[in-house]
This record gives sequence, C-alpha cells and structure tokens, in this order.
Amino acid sequence: GAVVSQHPSWVICKSGTSVKIECRSLDFQATTMFWYRQFPKQSLMLMATSNEGSKATYEQGVEKDKFLINHASLTLSTLTVTSAHPEDSSFYICSASQYSNQPQHFGDGTRLSIL
Amino acid sequence: AQKVTQAQTEISVVEKEDVTLDCVYETRDTTYYLFWYKQPPSGELVFLIRRNSFDEQNEISGRYSWNFQKSTSSFNFTITASQVVDSAVYFCALSEDWATDSNYQLIWGAGTKLIIKP
Repeated sequence: GAVVSQHPSWVICKSGTSVKIECRSLDFQATTMFWYRQFPKQSLMLMATSNEGSKATYEQGVEKDKFLINHASLTLSTLTVTSAHPEDSSFYICSASQYSNQPQHFGDGTRLSIL
Repeated sequence: AQKVTQAQTEISVVEKEDVTLDCVYETRDTTYYLFWYKQPPSGELVFLIRRNSFDEQNEISGRYSWNFQKSTSSFNFTITASQVVDSAVYFCALSEDWATDSNYQLIWGAGTKLIIKP
C-alpha cells in the first residue's frame, strides 16, 4: 500500500516553456503533499507543503509565482514550473502523507532538463 | 535548531565488508522520528526504517541494522556483508514533534554515497 505515482519521470523542453508535474496517491487519500527539489549530489530541499484545498506553504527562497502548486483533490497535487529556464533543471520529487502524523510516501521523481 | 549531520560524504568498500553510515541529529523536542532512506542511481527514494524517539531498541532487518543512541544523538546504520546492489546514496532524516507538527516535515541529512566495489 501507500503508493505515490509521479508523472512524467523525465522531461526535456525548451527554455520559456511551462512544465507540469503530477503527483498522485494511488491507494490512499493524501491530506498533505510535499514538493522537493534535488540538485546533483545534494540532499533533498523542501520547496513547499500543500494541504488539500488550501494554498501551498512555500519555503523561504522559493518563488511561488515560478513554482505553482495546486492540490485540488485528496489524491492529486501538481507542480507547474512556469517559463522554465536552464537553471530550473533539476530532479523534482513529491511525497504524500495520509494524515499529519503519518510518514511521507515518495514518488519516483521527475528529471527536468531545460535546454 | 534542528539539524541532521551525515559527516561521511562518500564511503567506498569492497563487497562483503561491513560498513556503518553515521547520522547525528540535533533537536530540542522530546518526541520525534528518525528515518533512513536509500536513493539508488535511478533516483527513487526507498524507505528503510522509521524509529520514534521513545524506542531505543536496536533493530535488525536482514543485513541491515540500526543503532539508536539518544545519549549521543546518533542513529547509525550498518550493512553487514555488503553487496554491489547496496551502492546508493543513503539519507538520514528527522521529523520533529510528530504529535503536534501539523505538516510532519522532514529534516534531511546531506546524504552518504556508498560505493560497493566487486
């Protein structure tokens, strides 16, 4: 149980394009979803936390207009990288938890490459 | 301040050797969880263990074992008889005050890259 599906797993696109990444909890309802960014050879960096039906809470230094997060249902959250540029290239990972005191379950990540 | 330190950036051993990955944490809370995750080259995070702050018993799961010592704020991970498939980056993480934290955020260590040579 507790499967989180993240799609796409890999995307390459031109600079200036907006890219949407989906994170779905397949067998549970996720009240909270998290979005992380991971640069090569570095640890995970939390970008934002989203609770279903509420606006996402962004970590300091993360541009909310650049990284749009929507958590419209208990099984789906999306991260849209708007007007992506090469410096946005990274590995993005989502996670979801069923309740606030439950551990996070992670998606397999999305490798984003902006040319 | 909350912090997780994995001082070993990279460890390289020959297959079948035992290897210990260190994790030291800082927290002012008395209730918290500690985690270990494995991240193979493919990128996905594989959950290995969760330990709550009230349970100091060491745990063994096959070739994996964990030593939780509150006195030294450490939660070390040992792989015995290492195998090439164990090669990955291993992350230690802390979640504080699980009883009241509304979002159960994880504080991550920097990770230790483990290389198992055949």
